[in-house]
Amino acid sequence: GENVEQHPSTLSVQEGDSAVIKCTYSDSASNYFPWYKQELGKRPQLIIDIRSNVGEKKDQRIAVTLNKTAKHFSLHITETQPEDSAVYFCAASSTGGGNKLTFGTGTQLKVEL
Amino acid sequence: GAVVSQHPSRVICKSGTSVKIECRSLDFQATTMFWYRQFPKQSLMLMATSNEGSKATYEQGVEKDKFLINHASLTLSTLTVTSAHPEDSSFYICSAAQRGGLGEQFFGPGTRLTVL
Repeated sequence: GENVEQHPSTLSVQEGDSAVIKCTYSDSASNYFPWYKQELGKRPQLIIDIRSNVGEKKDQRIAVTLNKTAKHFSLHITETQPEDSAVYFCAASSTGGGNKLTFGTGTQLKVEL
Repeated sequence: GAVVSQHPSRVICKSGTSVKIECRSLDFQATTMFWYRQFPKQSLMLMATSNEGSKATYEQGVEKDKFLINHASLTLSTLTVTSAHPEDSSFYICSAAQRGGLGEQFFGPGTRLTVL
């Protein structure tokens, strides 16, 4: 089955700096890669996603890049703000695999003033 | 659009009792619903996938006789934790995928289960 690794596990940045979180996946059939932000005790919130036919996608301060050959994808947050502090999860799924999401281990992002 | 509700949001029960958690898609038809479990400071782990009108598919290591899943309609799936024990205490989250969707899942708000 799919295995998703995520790094780093914790990330501390100064307000206004950029944050980058990286994930690798093992199943070459995976074709959907969402990123979620989860605050304590809350549901995961989709912040951006990318499909395998696209190499990069951007939405305001958030961008995701995908390298299918290397099987890795990254989340980039620019101009970080204190409200960006949360746990971020990457995930991967494939249509052929019933769209089951395999999650990474999570990154605790802390944006310091 | 694409709202998923979950009930109850929090439940405390005694060891040995059973607890039922409901997951509803409020404004769309969910052909597939997923159930996850999340322990503190850990990731979401898929427990099972349920398709409307058919038996759930459980992930390896998840006891199907302990975690009963029913997906009786296109808008409702239930998870029953039978004979709950303290080690079953966790955050249970459901998600739903739309008919004809491209893989995106919509998550419920989660249920915090505490077994005393």
